[in-house]
Formats: sequence, structure tokens, C-alpha cells
Amino acid sequence: AQSVSQHNHHVILSEAASLELGCNYSYGGTVNLFWYVQYPGQHLQLLLKYFSGDPLVKGIKGFEAEFIKSKFSFNLRKPSVQWSDTAEYFCAVNAHSSASKIIFGSGTRLSIRP
Amino acid sequence: DAGITQSPRHKVTETGTPVTLRCHQTENHRYMYWYRQDPGHGLRLIHYSYGVKDTDKGEVSDGYSVSRSKTEDFLLTLESATSSQTSVYFCAISAPTSGNQETQYFGPGTRLLVL
Repeated sequence: AQSVSQHNHHVILSEAASLELGCNYSYGGTVNLFWYVQYPGQHLQLLLKYFSGDPLVKGIKGFEAEFIKSKFSFNLRKPSVQWSDTAEYFCAVNAHSSASKIIFGSGTRLSIRP
Repeated sequence: DAGITQSPRHKVTETGTPVTLRCHQTENHRYMYWYRQDPGHGLRLIHYSYGVKDTDKGEVSDGYSVSRSKTEDFLLTLESATSSQTSVYFCAISAPTSGNQETQYFGPGTRLLVL
């Protein structure tokens, strides 16, 4: 069965610090990978996705993620965070063979000190 | 945001009462989903639908039923609400974005409190 692990439950950074949020998944086949963001009181919004091709994916708001197949990882990065990045971030995966079902990680809460 | 609305947006109910949440989409997507979001658990799939009258269970389906009589509407029913069903409920649709692959987009959520 597929699973997704986000080991950082809560990350606190100062503005302008660099960000890296970890995401590891378990599945032996071909996968699609996603990062979603949920700002306080809002619904989930897609940040970026990986289906195939270049393993370095650029998303909205300056975020990027790198798919490292050998490590089953899809870490989210941003070189310089802003206070407005305060949110919860969810990694998600689905198998190419089961495109209708997505498995979500438990989320990482990011707090940015102004 | 993919034309998804949910109603009601907030509901307070009592244990043992039935509750129905509605998800409405305007873009004729085939797949629709109901998730619940709880602290420390991320989003967990309750039920999903792959067409009118075609539904299947997710990982946390106990105590919930769904119906889809029209493409645009996906209803989630709690037959007899319990306090453990206090949660935020999100509806989602799956839209094709690249080749045969699809991406899920979410509605605004319904906050349910069962007293």
C-alpha cells in the first residue's frame, strides 16, 4: 500500500530563511507527486506537481521540489521565505495505475517569524 | 478554483442526528471525492465517485454514505452523527492536466461540529 511521510510536523523560521520540507513515500511503481498548501482558514491549493520528465519542478510563489527516485523523496524548497508563507503544507502521491486516488501526508505546519 | 462549492460551510449538530453535506461542481468532472481533515492525520479519503451512481469506499468510510445522482452533485451523509465525526470536510474533483494524468482540486470545506 502507498504511504506518505512528512517527518517535520512543525517548522519555525525567520523571514528570508531558506526552507526545505521533507516528503518520503513508499510505493514501488511509477508515481505522481504533489505539494499542496493550506493557508489559515482556507482550502488546499496546488503548489506544484510532478508527473514525469525533469525531476526539478517549479511551482507557484517561488516554491520548487525535487523528485529523487532512488530516495523515494519529493522535498519542497524555497530559498527565502516570507511571512505570507505561513501555512500548512501537504505532500501527496498517487500511483500511475491508480490515478483516481491520492494519499496525503499528515502535513507540516510552517510558521514564519516576521 | 475548479468551480467547486460546498454547503453548508459550517454546521453544528447533535449526536445521533443525520447530516448531509453537499458538493457541487460546474465543470462536469467525472471523479469527485470526500475527505475529512483532522489534526495530525492530514486528509483521509472517505468515499469517492467515478460517475453517476458509481461510488466506492475510501480509508475511513465507516459511518458515512454517499450518493451521486447527477454529475455535478456529490452528497455525503452521516446517518447518525457522532462526536468522532467532528471535522473539516473537503470535497475534491479530479481534472486532467497532463496526458492521462490528473490533479485534484479542492472545495472550500465544511466545518462540522457534533455535540
